[in-house]
Amino acid sequence: EDQVTQSPEALRLQEGESSSLNCSYTVSGLRGLFWYRQDPGKGPEFLFTLYSAGEEKEKERLKATLTKKESFLHITAPKPEDSATYLCAFVGSGGGADGLTFGKGTHLIIQP
Amino acid sequence: DSGVTQTPKHLITATGQRVTLRCSPRSGDLSVYWYQQSLDQGLQFLIQYYNGEERAKGNILERFSAQQFPDLHSELNLSSLELGDSALYFCASSVKAANTEAFFGQGTRLTVV
Repeated sequence: EDQVTQSPEALRLQEGESSSLNCSYTVSGLRGLFWYRQDPGKGPEFLFTLYSAGEEKEKERLKATLTKKESFLHITAPKPEDSATYLCAFVGSGGGADGLTFGKGTHLIIQP
Repeated sequence: DSGVTQTPKHLITATGQRVTLRCSPRSGDLSVYWYQQSLDQGLQFLIQYYNGEERAKGNILERFSAQQFPDLHSELNLSSLELGDSALYFCASSVKAANTEAFFGQGTRLTVV
């Protein structure tokens, strides 16, 4: 069964303290791995798409990487405004559904 | 602002009732997705439409249905509502039918009492 697991569930960092969020996936034929950011009560905001192992994408303090079994979201020198829930999702080739399968997310808090 | 518009923002209704949620996709996007987000289940894919046709189904209950109109806006109909249907319902849109990022609206918070 296709599934995705994110860890840790919650992470509290000091401002400027870099860290990484993990997304482990099991999928029969990965067609795309996506990262989103979600603020409380708001819709998910698209961050990155990764399609193949070895691919990397960067945006400001965030960098996403992909291997055959995991994706990492690296946060460098985070600021309080980076506090949010970060969601990982994929589209697989099984079942014919093109909708995203989401993990439960990592709730990130950056303290000033 | 993602460009995806959902109405209403909040909805409170009684068990057994029927409601309709509306979504206007980003300009130029042909694909519309519906998702349900609850505290225990996280974000769950319900259904996808592409250019007016149903393209894919996820974990959508038989009491729920959707459609996409010629102007590409979409509606999600929820009937015989139960307490457990209380959740955030999100619409997302994308240009292509598959393998592409989707942009989410701000959601409709449904409370069934």
